[in-house]
Amino acid sequence: DAGVTQSPTHLIKTRGQQVTLRCSPKSGHDTVSWYQQALGQGPQFIFQYYEEEERQRGNFPDRFSGHQFPNYSSELNVNALLLGDSALYLCASSLSSYEAFFGQGTRLTVV
Amino acid sequence: DQQVKQNSPSLSVQEGRISILNCDYTNSMFDYFLWYKKYPAEGPTFLISISSIKDKNEDGRFTVFLNKSAKHLSLHIVPSQPGDSAVYFCAASNAGGTSYGKLTFGQGTILTVHP
Repeated sequence: DAGVTQSPTHLIKTRGQQVTLRCSPKSGHDTVSWYQQALGQGPQFIFQYYEEEERQRGNFPDRFSGHQFPNYSSELNVNALLLGDSALYLCASSLSSYEAFFGQGTRLTVV
Repeated sequence: DQQVKQNSPSLSVQEGRISILNCDYTNSMFDYFLWYKKYPAEGPTFLISISSIKDKNEDGRFTVFLNKSAKHLSLHIVPSQPGDSAVYFCAASNAGGTSYGKLTFGQGTILTVHP
């Protein structure tokens, strides 16, 4: 059973560009959440998708947007990249609200 | 506003001894707590959880204790093994409210278990 998979694993972008990160949830999971983990910090909640709609949103600007597809996979889009957006982006999937299963993350570097 | 805090950035223990990792929270609406372990270049892996209606939960070598009045939880690992060396994150959720499924994480504690 494949777990949560994310692509790409690493990415380098230039300030001002746009980026799209992708996530395939664990089989049978219908809820996808995205987190940003800066160096030396814990993951910070960006938003959560359920039934193709954004159900909850953390304290992130509108430059961060997402989408969930009918097969429950999800994308995270970040526009007008800033140097401070450099971080590990984690996708987590769940069936219940309690135990989220994480992917290996996408390391985004903005230069 | 750091609602979940892990005040010890690192912990070093000898193999076979007990590891105790601590976590404090401020939001009284949190009613479900989880511990995750993270190795470099991997995503966090779920370890153990506890509901606010309990004060203890065990799973093999891992036990989580919850003290609601003190807003404090701890993870005990007995006996500690070198393979337990990783970053440990405490997370909290308000499962019954509008923040359904949203996890709030602490900063993490680096555990090193020496052979």
